[in-house]
Amino acid sequence: EAGVAQSPRYKIIEKRQSVAFWCNPISGHATLYWYQQILGQGPKLLIQFQNNGVVDDSQLPKDRFSAERLKGVDSTLKIQPAKLEDSAVYLCASSLVGLWETQYFGPGTRLLVL
Amino acid sequence: DQQVKQNSPSLSVQEGRISILNCDYTNSMFDYFLWYKKYPAEGPTFLISISSIKDKNEDGRFTVFLNKSAKHLSLHIVPSQPGDSAVYFCAASERDFGNEKLTFGTGTRLTIIP
Repeated sequence: EAGVAQSPRYKIIEKRQSVAFWCNPISGHATLYWYQQILGQGPKLLIQFQNNGVVDDSQLPKDRFSAERLKGVDSTLKIQPAKLEDSAVYLCASSLVGLWETQYFGPGTRLLVL
Repeated sequence: DQQVKQNSPSLSVQEGRISILNCDYTNSMFDYFLWYKKYPAEGPTFLISISSIKDKNEDGRFTVFLNKSAKHLSLHIVPSQPGDSAVYFCAASERDFGNEKLTFGTGTRLTIIP
């Protein structure tokens, strides 16, 4: 069974630029999560989708971050414009509906904002 | 406001001995707790969990203990093996009927010394 795929693995941009991350969850997993993990901290949930609907985006900085999950499969997370404090690893995870406690994580995208 | 705390950033243990990783939480509404393990350049992987109705859950070499009155949980690994060297995250959630979200601690880096 293929795991959660994410791309790119690494990205370096300058502040005020835009960046987008892509995630392909495990086949059949209707629930998809985006987390932000800042160095030295644990992952923090940014947004949760069930199919193509948003379940929770209370911790998403909506003035600069956006996410979509068209067709309920792949998802993209965008930052526009980026700030220095957005430097982090962005993790995507997926789970079966109702099995939120068993989330499968992708390898993450490491973002450095200069 | 760190609701889940792992006060030891790092821990070194001799191979074959017991590793004990600790986690404290402040939110009394948390009723489900998990441990995740993370290798470098990979996403976290689920290790073991415990519901608040239990005080112990065991899976092979891994045992999680929960002390609700102290708002404390611990992960015991016996015997420790070199492959256990990783960062361990404690996570917690409160029941929200399909809208559960995980709150992670800051992680403890475990190093097993051969």
